[in-house]
Amino acid sequence: EDQVTQSPEALRLQEGESSSLNCSYTVSGLRGLFWYRQDPGKGPEFLFTLYSAGEEKEKERLKATLTKKESFLHITAPKPEDSATYLCSRRGQNFVFGPGTRLSVLP
Amino acid sequence: DSGVTQTPKHLITATGQRVTLRCSPRSGDLSVYWYQQSLDQGLQFLIQYYNGEERAKGNILERFSAQQFPDLHSELNLSSLELGDSALYFCASSGNYRGSYGYTFGSGTRLTVV
Repeated sequence: EDQVTQSPEALRLQEGESSSLNCSYTVSGLRGLFWYRQDPGKGPEFLFTLYSAGEEKEKERLKATLTKKESFLHITAPKPEDSATYLCSRRGQNFVFGPGTRLSVLP
Repeated sequence: DSGVTQTPKHLITATGQRVTLRCSPRSGDLSVYWYQQSLDQGLQFLIQYYNGEERAKGNILERFSAQQFPDLHSELNLSSLELGDSALYFCASSGNYRGSYGYTFGSGTRLTVV
């Protein structure tokens, strides 16, 4: 059964303190992965698609990377407005999302 | 505005009742997905429609049903409602049936069953 796990479950950072979020999957034959951001009470907002191992995408303070078994979302010098839940989803037909990492950036 | 429209935004109803949630996908998207998100829970995939036909089913209860109409809007029907059905219900759309390029989500319908 396809499994998408994310760690940590929650992360508190000081403004400017860089860190990384992890998304791991058990299924083989990965065809890529999506990252989304979700603010409380709102729908997820698409951030990145990563299609193959070794690929990297960047957007402002966020950088997503992909290996054969996992993906990382690196947050460089985060600001309070980066506080949100970050979700990953395996690209394919099962439409499953990971449980998310709840990020809080304190001023 | 993501381009995916969900109505109503809020809904309060009693146990045992039936409600209908509506979704209009982003212009040009043929695929519609429904997700349920309970308090502090992850997104649970319910069902997918593509160009009017059901394509995939997730953890959708028998009390729930959906359809997609010729104009591509979709409705999610929830019946015999229970307290545990209280959740945010999201609709998402994509251009193809695999969702290969990601999904665009609506702002959700918050359902409260009392």
